[in-house]
Amino acid sequence: EAGVTQFPSHSVIEKGQTVTLRCDPISGHDNLYWYRRVMGKEIKFLLHFVKESKQDESGMPNNRFLAERTGGTYSTLKVQPAELEDSGVYFCASSQVSGRIVNEQFFGPGTRLTVL
Amino acid sequence: AQKITQTQPGMFVQEKEAVTLDCTYDTSDPSYGLFWYKQPSSGEMIFLIYQGSYDQQNATEGRYSLNFQKARKSANLVISASQLGDSAMYFCAMREEETSGSRLTFGEGTQLTVNP
Repeated sequence: EAGVTQFPSHSVIEKGQTVTLRCDPISGHDNLYWYRRVMGKEIKFLLHFVKESKQDESGMPNNRFLAERTGGTYSTLKVQPAELEDSGVYFCASSQVSGRIVNEQFFGPGTRLTVL
Repeated sequence: AQKITQTQPGMFVQEKEAVTLDCTYDTSDPSYGLFWYKQPSSGEMIFLIYQGSYDQQNATEGRYSLNFQKARKSANLVISASQLGDSAMYFCAMREEETSGSRLTFGEGTQLTVNP
């Protein structure tokens, strides 16, 4: 079974440009999460989709960030316009909606974004 | 205030020895879960072990065990018989069921190096 995949693995852009990150969750996982790790700090939550609906977007830093999950499958995270402080590693994770107490999130390898 | 604190930025251990990675947490939520993830240099985040706040026994998964001390709000990861492949960044994370749903709050991580 394929894991969570993210594209691209690396992106280098200039300040003011736009970047779109993509995440493909594990097939059948209704929950999809975006996190990011900035400059060696802790990994921080950005938002949570249940299918195509935004369940929690309280972690989105500002309106330059737009996340979508059309059709409840893959998700995109667009940063427009990018700023220097947006540099970091963006992780996507997915989990099943189930009765399991653990319900662990499976993470993708991340996209390393560098804004120059 | 930090919800998850990992006080050891870096740890070293000799191969075949045991090592404890510290994690303390702060929550007023009566129902919560604690997770440990491993991030090798390749970047992916690998789920290791889970401890629920109502679990009576410490969680164990192979060479991994979680030393859960609820009154002290600590959830230390113990890796027995360290292997060279255990060298990685280790993250402690918490899910607060009532406060913040299924999103995870992470610590800053501990970089573990296993020496031959």
